[in-house]
Amino acid sequence: SQTIHQWPATLVQPVGSPLSLECTVEGTSNPNLYWYRQAAGRGLQLLFYSVGIGQISSEVPQNLSASRPQDRQFILSSKKLLLSDSGFYLCAWSEAGNTIYFGEGSWLTVV
Amino acid sequence: GENVEQHPSTLSVQEGDSAVIKCTYSDSASNYFPWYKQELGKGPQLIIDIRSNVGEKKDQRIAVTLNKTAKHFSLHITETQPEDSAVYFCAASKSSARQLTFGSGTQLTVLP
Repeated sequence: SQTIHQWPATLVQPVGSPLSLECTVEGTSNPNLYWYRQAAGRGLQLLFYSVGIGQISSEVPQNLSASRPQDRQFILSSKKLLLSDSGFYLCAWSEAGNTIYFGEGSWLTVV
Repeated sequence: GENVEQHPSTLSVQEGDSAVIKCTYSDSASNYFPWYKQELGKGPQLIIDIRSNVGEKKDQRIAVTLNKTAKHFSLHITETQPEDSAVYFCAASKSSARQLTFGSGTQLTVLP
């Protein structure tokens, strides 16, 4: 069966510091991969999605970037964090079709 | 683009009662409607989904109904239990997961 792992689960970073959140999916090949941000425990905002290695599409302009160095690895990065980057970040995957499966999420607090 | 509205934003029910959450969508081309349950501090988990060629789908205490004409779909939870307490999200999409549009969520509280 397919599994998704996301880490770290929580982190506290100072303003201006870099960020790296990692996500891997197991049990599937060539999945579509996604990064979402969730603010205030409710709305899910799609940040990036990828249909293959090196193929990244951004849904919203922001201080973040994404990369997909391997088929089942997706990384969310920032060179310099802003206070407004604080939030709950979710990695997700899908195969051909519509169903999206989420990871457990990463809590980011920028101080 | 697609717009999904979800009601109510909060819902409290007594243990054993039923809970109903409703969503409406704007794009008549949408054909896939999943529901997710999110417990505090965790990622959303898919609990049930329905495609536009089906009007109703059940899985034990959970059911989803779809009215394509009216462009709305609902989640029904029967015999609610305290562990059903969570935030529930509806969503709609047409051709791909990338186009999945989420509702704003419903905080369900089941009172013992």
